Amino acid sequence: QITLKESGPTLVKPTQTLTLTCTFSGFSLSTSGVGVGWIRQPPGKALEWLALIYWNDDKRYSPSLKSRLTITKDTSKNQVVLTMTNMDPVDTATYYCAHTYYDFWSGYSMGFDPWGQGTLVTVSS
Amino acid sequence: SYELTQPPSVSVSPGQTARITCSGDALPKQYAYWYQQKPGQAPVLVIYKDSERPSGIPERFSGSSSGTTVTLTISGVQAEDEADYYCQSADSSGTPGVFGGGTKLTVL
Repeated sequence: QITLKESGPTLVKPTQTLTLTCTFSGFSLSTSGVGVGWIRQPPGKALEWLALIYWNDDKRYSPSLKSRLTITKDTSKNQVVLTMTNMDPVDTATYYCAHTYYDFWSGYSMGFDPWGQGTLVTVSS
Repeated sequence: SYELTQPPSVSVSPGQTARITCSGDALPKQYAYWYQQKPGQAPVLVIYKDSERPSGIPERFSGSSSGTTVTLTISGVQAEDEADYYCQSADSSGTPGVFGGGTKLTVL
């Protein structure tokens, strides 16, 4: 059974850097094809994809946020870390991490499945 | 960057068929994914690569693609299907990226 759980601060100040950790079980990020992504959702609003890292350390970022994001993995700890710089109140959201798998035959991801429970991050002074 | 457009809301009676559309210029070239999100819960993948159904998802959920529009169809809608539904499109590298604005499905 695959599970993921997000952790990090619940409150950050504007201009600070946010660091979130996704701790997972039931799979290994050293297994070929496996990936972990981050997605966020402002209160009452739509989902927004942020970043994705694959087993081979291939990293993908949302073009609109690429300059502010860094995604890394620690395979030995079963963790993926997302950092977002220069936080602003508009970045207030629930942040989710999720598992994905790269289908080598089609060249596409199998989608994000499953997701963690999410963690609400509020940006306020 | 590209956009995906979904209707804000769809309403159906129990037992009827619900169709939720998602439109975008990238969709003829890229696969789409569909997620169900119930209040206070994390999203759940219900369709991937346009029409594939993950294990554990009921057969009443299906997906299709035609031109610039993909459609999530829920046949024989049940009260438990009331939720927000989001489409997502892959980008040219196969990475699942942009989400649509979401559609609230109301079961009357």
